[in-house]
Amino acid sequence: AQKVTQAQTEISVVEKEDVTLDCVYETRDTTYYLFWYKQPPSGELVFLIRRNSFDEQNEISGRYSWNFQKSTSSFNFTITASQVVDSAVYFCALSDTDNYGQNFVFGPGTRLSVLP
Amino acid sequence: GAGVSQSPSNKVTEKGKDVELRCDPISGHTALYWYRQSLGQGLEFLIYFQGNSAPDKSGLPSDRFSAERTGGSVSTLTIQRTQQEDSAVYLCASSFGFSGPQETQYFGPGTRLLVL
Repeated sequence: AQKVTQAQTEISVVEKEDVTLDCVYETRDTTYYLFWYKQPPSGELVFLIRRNSFDEQNEISGRYSWNFQKSTSSFNFTITASQVVDSAVYFCALSDTDNYGQNFVFGPGTRLSVLP
Repeated sequence: GAGVSQSPSNKVTEKGKDVELRCDPISGHTALYWYRQSLGQGLEFLIYFQGNSAPDKSGLPSDRFSAERTGGSVSTLTIQRTQQEDSAVYLCASSFGFSGPQETQYFGPGTRLLVL
């Protein structure tokens, strides 16, 4: 069965610190998709990234970067020079098909608090 | 409109009644997604449309749930004979396409459903 683990329930950092949110996944499939979403206090979900299992290149988008390591089944998310606006719950997710459906599973989320 | 809109924003219903939730995607977006978020189950993926077609309906929680999309635009999620466990925030998102930069999903504000 597919599973996504986000072991860090809550993280607090001071503004300008770098922070890494961990995501470890389990799947038997060789083709799968990994996602990160952000949910700020306002509640509205924000899609951050989708990565397929054949693309192991790390991704950088501004202060955000993602480290995909098949060898450790991890897809970690790093925020560089964190800001108060980064405070949110971050969800990692996995789908083993590109049709999603019941094979799309979310992790429990990591609550990040960035203190001024 | 400028973003994804959902209606109603809040819905209170009695157990056993049917409800319809509506999603208006961003104009020109071909892909549309439904999710839900509840205290008990966390975030769940429900269904995805490419145009008017849903390739995989297995994410719908039970046969009381159905979804359709007409004209490649508006989508309706219908819950028949609502149960208290259906209480959740139902989230809709749309994307221009399904790969590369086009796959970025934009979320609506959600419909908060409470079944008494």
